[in-house]
Amino acid sequence: DAGITQSPRHKVTETGTPVTLRCHQTENHRYMYWYRQDPGHGLRLIHYSYGVKDTDKGEVSDGYSVSRSKTEDFLLTLESATSSQTSVYFCAISELGEYGYTFGSGTRLTVV
Amino acid sequence: QQQVKQSPQSLIVQKGGISIINCAYENTAFDYFPWYQQFPGKGPALLIAIRPDVSEKKEGRFTISFNKSAKQFSLHIMDSQPGDSATYFCAASILGDYKLSFGAGTTVTVRA
Repeated sequence: DAGITQSPRHKVTETGTPVTLRCHQTENHRYMYWYRQDPGHGLRLIHYSYGVKDTDKGEVSDGYSVSRSKTEDFLLTLESATSSQTSVYFCAISELGEYGYTFGSGTRLTVV
Repeated sequence: QQQVKQSPQSLIVQKGGISIINCAYENTAFDYFPWYQQFPGKGPALLIAIRPDVSEKKEGRFTISFNKSAKQFSLHIMDSQPGDSATYFCAASILGDYKLSFGAGTTVTVRA
């Protein structure tokens, strides 16, 4: 997706290990979001950011932390991965005054 | 608890037919209602959106119908084509609050 890149695209990790997912944007948008997608649940908000160093929790934030030290990068960290965190993770961006999101292509994370 | 309830979970329609997806919400503060389309392996993409000051919005073969009193909105795909086969998500947000709450998704399959 133009202007937003997620890495890695796929990852398999072991229970109890830390994992960091990266979202990088070239659009200079103010807002960035992390969602997880699971069958039957749609997309659920984990954390979001409304500026550099300004972040807040979403509806499913337990076990996750985020950081945004630059406008273009938003990192999602699983401090100690659990099997319940196996999911597809999407980053999205939006701009002030615009309510439509642009999503990245997702990261498929498997915790074994 | 999902703030936006979406149905059906899946549907199959013949080419040329009409696909209808319904969403309901409880939070009367919601005032922006987008629909996203997602193809396998891709992130969701904004398809069409509506605000509560209009009851219908049409873009090509896609139409949103909005019923404020019933707190319901729906997506109609007219003359469905095999290329419309995808997962569709409804969502809602509050003006000034850029976080989107998503429905659980509907997988649409268009048979040729």
